[in-house]
Amino acid sequence: GNSVTQMEGPVTLSEEAFLTINCTYTATGYPSLFWYVQYPGEGLQLLLKATKADDKGSNKGFEATYRKETTSFHLEKGSVQVSDSAVYFCALIRSNDYKLSFGAGTTVTVRA
Amino acid sequence: EAGVAQSPRYKIIEKRQSVAFWCNPISGHATLYWYQQILGQGPKLLIQFQNNGVVDDSQLPKDRFSAERLKGVDSTLKIQPAKLEDSAVYLCASSLDPLKANYGYTFGSGTRLTVV
Repeated sequence: GNSVTQMEGPVTLSEEAFLTINCTYTATGYPSLFWYVQYPGEGLQLLLKATKADDKGSNKGFEATYRKETTSFHLEKGSVQVSDSAVYFCALIRSNDYKLSFGAGTTVTVRA
Repeated sequence: EAGVAQSPRYKIIEKRQSVAFWCNPISGHATLYWYQQILGQGPKLLIQFQNNGVVDDSQLPKDRFSAERLKGVDSTLKIQPAKLEDSAVYLCASSLDPLKANYGYTFGSGTRLTVV
């Protein structure tokens, strides 16, 4: 079946630290890959996306590269801020039915 | 552009009561989704509409959950009767067209349901 597996949290970091959240997927065909973010008390927001192999999505200092050979889409940010504290979800849209499936989410807390 | 609107934001009910949630998608978005997000888990798709027709409701517990999108615009999700395990955030999302779904969905802020 199709699924998304992401690094378990919670993750606690100091400001300006490097953040990596691992995400791997299993899917037939060529899914589109996404990272969504959910800030405290807010709804899900699209953070970045990549629609084909070797694409790099980027936004707000975050990056993720679609690696078909390792079926991964790891999220990275070089220097986190307190405002990056949120829950991050890796997700994919299957190319055969266009349904969005989510990983379990990773809670990130950044301390000043 | 206006986002996906949902109401109410919060709802507390007793088990065995009924509850309804409302969603108004982005204007022109043909596809509408309802997701259930239980605390500590990723959102799970309950039902997908294309205009006013159901595309997929395979994960919807049909003995107690129902949803409609009569005019192909706004939608309601109902639970009757509610159980304790229905406590979750119910998210509505919309997209322009399934074939353009790789642009990502737009989510509403959700309705947080607590069943006591």
